[in-house]
Amino acid sequence: EVQLSESGGGLLQLGGSLRLSCAASGFTFSSYAMSWVRQAPGRRLEWVSVICGGGDTTYYADSVKGRFTISRDNSKNTLYLQMSSLRAEDTAVYYCAKGQSASCYSWDDYWGQGTLVTVSS
Amino acid sequence: DIVMTQSPDSLAVSLGERATINCRSSQSVLYSSNNKNYLTWYQQKPGQPPKLLIYWASTRESGVPDRFSGSGSGTDFTLTISSLQAEDVAVYYCQQHYNIPFTFGPGTKVDIK
Repeated sequence: EVQLSESGGGLLQLGGSLRLSCAASGFTFSSYAMSWVRQAPGRRLEWVSVICGGGDTTYYADSVKGRFTISRDNSKNTLYLQMSSLRAEDTAVYYCAKGQSASCYSWDDYWGQGTLVTVSS
Repeated sequence: DIVMTQSPDSLAVSLGERATINCRSSQSVLYSSNNKNYLTWYQQKPGQPPKLLIYWASTRESGVPDRFSGSGSGTDFTLTISSLQAEDVAVYYCQQHYNIPFTFGPGTKVDIK
């Protein structure tokens, strides 16, 4: 059974940094693309970043480019999102999601329960 | 960026009746080399993460009830719930994964009339 469990969320101040983690199990982690998607309260889903299976290729939304870094540790079956220079508009539930294949362009077939990041002034 | 729009914003349907949700992309999401539409539908219930329903615009994910169907190609897509059940109350999102960034529609809220 595929399981994704996010952790690391919390209350941060403007300009702060945070690292989110997503522990994966139930599949061969290294073989699949993994994504971060966020959802601000009452808002639509917003794609944040993706890392392809293998881990060499990454993509980011313009809203986070240069501030967030996606990475993976295939030996630990864990996905990360390093977030810095946090802004109020980064406040959201952050979901990790598993791609259907190694391709960054595959759809996401499993999602974690999410972790809440709140950025306050 | 590809802009995704959905209509209606919300709809209320009687139990057992049909619900139809439309999704439009600002440019085609049909990949000519494999003739696949890079369009996915998700269902999100309150307090839960999204759940995959349909990929490639019309292929139902394993385990998804067959009352859910997707259609369309290019820029215009439809999600149909043929006979609405109480457990289908949710917000439904379309997403394109043709171009970075992989944009979502604003969502359509489905309720029981």
